[in-house]
Formats: sequence, structure tokens, C-alpha cells
Amino acid sequence: DGGITQSPKYLFRKEGQNVTLSCEQNLNHDAMYWYRQDPGQGLRLIYYSQIVNDFQKGDIAEGYSVSREKKESFPLTVTSAQKNPTAFYLCASSTRESSGGQYFGPGTRLTVT
Amino acid sequence: SQQGEEDPQALSIQEGENATMNCSYKTSINNLQWYRQNSGRGLVHLILIRSNEREKHSGRLRVTLDTSKKSSSLLITASRAADTASYFCATVFMTGGFKTIFGAGTRLFVKA
Repeated sequence: DGGITQSPKYLFRKEGQNVTLSCEQNLNHDAMYWYRQDPGQGLRLIYYSQIVNDFQKGDIAEGYSVSREKKESFPLTVTSAQKNPTAFYLCASSTRESSGGQYFGPGTRLTVT
Repeated sequence: SQQGEEDPQALSIQEGENATMNCSYKTSINNLQWYRQNSGRGLVHLILIRSNEREKHSGRLRVTLDTSKKSSSLLITASRAADTASYFCATVFMTGGFKTIFGAGTRLFVKA
């Protein structure tokens, strides 16, 4: 059963704490992405990775960090430097060229108080 | 502004009616994709249309692309209450590698 999973579905943290969101895929995709979605808005790209051990900043990378040590996994850390971290975070994967469409996980809703 | 912008922002129709959503973009594209998102869920890829195609069908979905006007439309025929969701267009273009930009979406509400 191929797919992309994110955990947890809901996450609550206190301000000033770092938090790591998990994303795993078994689709054998080379490329993985992290997006942020605010209420009623579209998706904004945080980071993406086209291949293991390589990743690139997206449009809103400040306050976030990622790693890509395995093809299947692309965790996102929301650091205390992110000024407004409360949002819905979506992970996606695709073939390297991405031209054929992205497969999305179910998302993690992060609330920081 | 964003590469892909949907219009209208929100749409409310009766079950059985057709729903049309539009997407405009600014630069030349490799392809354009439409996605659906149910509330609080991830996006689901619906259909892809390449820059050399003008129309594509998938079940009750019909997508058109007019590269001269840099616009696309998504038509959902005979809508159902289960079609209630947000619909996003995503434009894919070349800048070094392929880049995908998502629009802000159209929120569709289908009344039973």
C-alpha cells in the first residue's frame, strides 16, 4: 500500500520550543517538499529536496530546517526563530522532475501558544 | 502576485448544477495541474494538462487551457454534495529545474 504519511495529525507546543514534523513516503519518489498553509490560503513552499542529502530553500524557509538522510524521510523542524509557526503543514513527494504532479500527505496542524 | 490565481475565491451552487473555476498565470508553463482539498486534509491531484493541449477530460471533470490568454478552467459537471472542497491550480514551469506554484484556491460549496 503505497503512500505518504505525516505524523502527528495535531501538535501543540509552547512558544520558544523547537518541534519536528515527520514525513515518510514509500512511493520511491526522489523529490519531497514541505508546504505551509494558512487559513483560507494557498500553499507556500518551505523547503524541497530533489535527492538524498540535498535540499533547497523555498519561498519561506526562515525559521525552518530540514534533513534528507534517507530517500523515504524528510522531517521538518520548526524552530523558535519562526515568528508565526501556527499553521497547517503539508508534505508532498514526486518523481524528481515533479512535472507529473505531487502526492500529498494528510497534513499536520501545529498550534504554538 | 502569485503565478496561479483562481477565480472566484468562493462558489456556492445547488447539487446537479455545473461548477466552473478559473485560473490565470503569468509566465510560460510546462503544464498546469488541478488539485482538490477537503477541509483539513492533504491535496489530491485531479488532472494535468500540458502546454500543448487545449482540453482534457476525466470523468465529470473537464479542463481547458488557453496559453494565449494564460488561463485555464476546471468544469465539474452535475455536481454532488461530495464535491464540496477547495480546488487549487498549480502551474509548473522551468527555472533551472521544474518549479510548481499553487494558487490560493476556489472554495466550492455544493448544497444538497
